[in-house]
Amino acid sequence: RKEVEQDPGPFNVPEGATVAFNCTYSNSASQSFFWYRQDCRKEPKLLMSVYSSGNEDGRFTAQLNRASQYISLLIRDSKLSDSATYLCVVRNTGNQFYFGTGTSLTVIP
Amino acid sequence: NAGVTQTPKFQVLKTGQSMTLQCAQDMNHEYMSWYRQDPGMGLRLIHYSVGAGITDQGEVPNGYNVSRSTTEDFPLRLLSAAPSQTSVYFCASSPPGRLARTDTQYFGPGTRLTVL
Repeated sequence: RKEVEQDPGPFNVPEGATVAFNCTYSNSASQSFFWYRQDCRKEPKLLMSVYSSGNEDGRFTAQLNRASQYISLLIRDSKLSDSATYLCVVRNTGNQFYFGTGTSLTVIP
Repeated sequence: NAGVTQTPKFQVLKTGQSMTLQCAQDMNHEYMSWYRQDPGMGLRLIHYSVGAGITDQGEVPNGYNVSRSTTEDFPLRLLSAAPSQTSVYFCASSPPGRLARTDTQYFGPGTRLTVL
């Protein structure tokens, strides 16, 4: 079983739409959780950390459910510039990071 | 700060050739790692290091060697290149993370390797 699993998409949404990505992880002892963004042919960059209480950064909201081992990312009012691949990332107790395969998002004018 | 730098950006090798991908960081991070990224596979950990003189294998270590003689540098060596090693290679670094759960990884721009 993979450490981190994501729906690969692709998600094609119109500008202004709300879109949600989901991710599950297999190791219940995992310590930290993140969403990264990766643009085509570029390196992954941190979008936001994910906390148990849920956290928001502008149009982006991340949620963590430790009991279900489930992470989500909600993007409101999608912009063209949000088009990218979104990677779910989990860090275990040994400081190793595990990446999902990514979910592709295209925002259409 | 330059962050994480990688050289070269692009490389073409013939089967059987060897080469070293360079990675350096100037953030005094203890933890460094190498990943490869293939279509549909996500990023997979090749090797990692928790500090100078300490390295360990990740998920896909075969065919690669690493060393960590300084905190700044973490080169990845391909011993005898094979077409299956055609991929994009990313180096990343992070603080040790024992004190801050939110510490995450910073990536270099990647090396695109083709093995013919």
